[in-house]
Amino acid sequence: AQSVTQLDSQVPVFEEAPVELRCNYSSSVSVYLFWYVQYPNQGLQLLLKYLSGSTLVKGINGFEAEFNKSQTSFHLRKPSVHISDTAEYFCAVSVGAAGNKLTFGGGTRVLVKP
Amino acid sequence: GAVVSQHPSRVICKSGTSVKIECRSLDFQATTMFWYRQFPKQSLMLMATSNEGSKATYEQGVEKDKFLINHASLTLSTLTVTSAHPEDSSFYICSALGTPHTDTQYFGPGTRLTVL
Repeated sequence: AQSVTQLDSQVPVFEEAPVELRCNYSSSVSVYLFWYVQYPNQGLQLLLKYLSGSTLVKGINGFEAEFNKSQTSFHLRKPSVHISDTAEYFCAVSVGAAGNKLTFGGGTRVLVKP
Repeated sequence: GAVVSQHPSRVICKSGTSVKIECRSLDFQATTMFWYRQFPKQSLMLMATSNEGSKATYEQGVEKDKFLINHASLTLSTLTVTSAHPEDSSFYICSALGTPHTDTQYFGPGTRLTVL
């Protein structure tokens, strides 16, 4: 069975500083990877996804992630964060087909400080 | 495109009553919908997968008689929490995928259920 590990439960960061959120997965078959953001008391919004092709994926709001198959990682980065980026970020994986059920990591809470 | 709505956004009910939560895909046909549960400061836990016109597939440990799921149309799935108890209080989130969004789940805004 697949699993997803988000190594940092909380990441404090100053406004305009860069941020990296780490995500590692385990799976014996092909994977499809997603990053979602959740603002308080809201559902999840898709930031970006890796299905195939270029391993560097660009998403909304200036976020990007890189798929590294050898390290089984899919880390999320943003070069300069804003206060509005304060939220919970979830890494998720589906296996076999992109539309299969998702397995989520534990989430990383990003707190952007002024 | 890819908008998913949920109704209600919040509901408070008495112990022993049943509560129905609706999940709608507003601008696409959702052949598959997923129901998740999220406890405070925790990740999402998949409860069940429903395909339009078929019985839902429940994850291990989820009581299918307690959490009734119906997916009778390509735009609507419902989750009914029967005989709710305080331990059922949680944030319930649905997601949908379908035509043309076959490779990405789009999520609803969630429903906060409080059972007194």
